[in-house]
Amino acid sequence: EPEVTQTPSHQVTQMGQEVILRCVPISNHLYFYWYRQILGQKVEFLVSFYNNEISEKSEIFDDQFSVERPDGSNFTLKIRSTKLEDSAMYFCASRATYADTQYFGPGTRLTVL
Amino acid sequence: KQEVTQIPAALSVPEGENLVLNCSFTDSAIYNLQWFRQDPGKGLTSLLLIQSSQREQTSGRLNASLDKSSGRSTLYIAASQPGDSATYLCALRPGRRTDSWGKLQFGAGTQVVVTP
Repeated sequence: EPEVTQTPSHQVTQMGQEVILRCVPISNHLYFYWYRQILGQKVEFLVSFYNNEISEKSEIFDDQFSVERPDGSNFTLKIRSTKLEDSAMYFCASRATYADTQYFGPGTRLTVL
Repeated sequence: KQEVTQIPAALSVPEGENLVLNCSFTDSAIYNLQWFRQDPGKGLTSLLLIQSSQREQTSGRLNASLDKSSGRSTLYIAASQPGDSATYLCALRPGRRTDSWGKLQFGAGTQVVVTP
């Protein structure tokens, strides 16, 4: 069964460093999402992406964040200058056109020291 | 502002008992509601999606109901097994289809332990 994959599974970085989290959505899906879950808290929406542009973003998704679909398969989330409070599990999700179910990847645990 | 709440936060039942998990929301203007399962340190597995026009949805031992007017959804898991132990999250897509591109708003989850 097709699935969303994410790399790396765990990323440790120093405060102020840039990180890129990678996702490979399900191949025929056209809607992509990033969510994050700080330990012990709810899963929060960050951004949605369709047709090579951001379609919606939350207040969390400030100028430090960016997303990109650099080729036909990858979808990336970049954090330019990481802060301690960016430590969280980051989930990528995708869905097909004319369908509502979102399929989530296994997540990348980001630890900012 | 839409709020999504799941009570209780944790639940322990003996194997074979039916599970009833609750999700409540404050604004009835929702497009659909999805139930997920989350295992420790893992991603989210979609269990059921119920559209705003539906009253319930079933898949195997799982049944989800939706009552928009009272702001509630319930996930029933029949004849629970130890393998059902996980955290169950509900997430709704707020508003009408044209209001959003599908962002989900999550509850905090109910952690379930099924004891043998």
